Amino acid sequence: AQSVTQPDIHITVSEGASLELRCNYSYGATPYLFWYVQSPGQGLQLLLKYFSGDTLVQGIKGFEAEFKRSQSSFNLRKPSVHWSDAAEYFCAVDSGGGADGLTFGKGTHLIIQP
Amino acid sequence: DVKVTQSSRYLVKRTGEKVFLECVQDMDHENMFWYRQDPGLGLRLIYFSYDVKMKEKGDIPEGYSVSREKKERFSLILESASTNQTSMYLCASSRNHGYTFGSGTRLTVV
Repeated sequence: AQSVTQPDIHITVSEGASLELRCNYSYGATPYLFWYVQSPGQGLQLLLKYFSGDTLVQGIKGFEAEFKRSQSSFNLRKPSVHWSDAAEYFCAVDSGGGADGLTFGKGTHLIIQP
Repeated sequence: DVKVTQSSRYLVKRTGEKVFLECVQDMDHENMFWYRQDPGLGLRLIYFSYDVKMKEKGDIPEGYSVSREKKERFSLILESASTNQTSMYLCASSRNHGYTFGSGTRLTVV
């Protein structure tokens, strides 16, 4: 069965600093990969997704992610964080069949220091 | 704007009650899903359906059942609610690996 690991439960970053959130997946073939963000009391918002092609994916709000097959990773990055980026971030994988749903990591809680 | 609508934003039920959580999508998606979200555990799949009257167990189906009588509607049923089912429940639909999530129902069982 597929699985997703987000090794960092909490990350604290100063405003204006760069950010990298880690995500590793376990799956036999190339999966479909997603990053979602959830602000307090809000629903899930899709930041970006990777299906195929260029391994560097651009998303909304200045985020990007890089798919590295050799490391089974799909890390999320942002060059300069803003206080409004404080939220819960979830990495997810779709096995490719499409009908089985997304498998999510447990999430990384991002705290922004002034 | 395409939507997944969950009928209740907040719900309080008593232990032992039968609880229905309703989800409707207007995108003609084949696939629908129910997740529960708990702090530190992320989102876990309860049940999913890839067609009308079809259902499949997800990772944590115990204590739940589902119904899909029409393509646009997917209901989650708690036959006898228990306090450990207090959680946020999220419905989603998909087609071709594109997912749309509802806003969630926060269920409290007292």
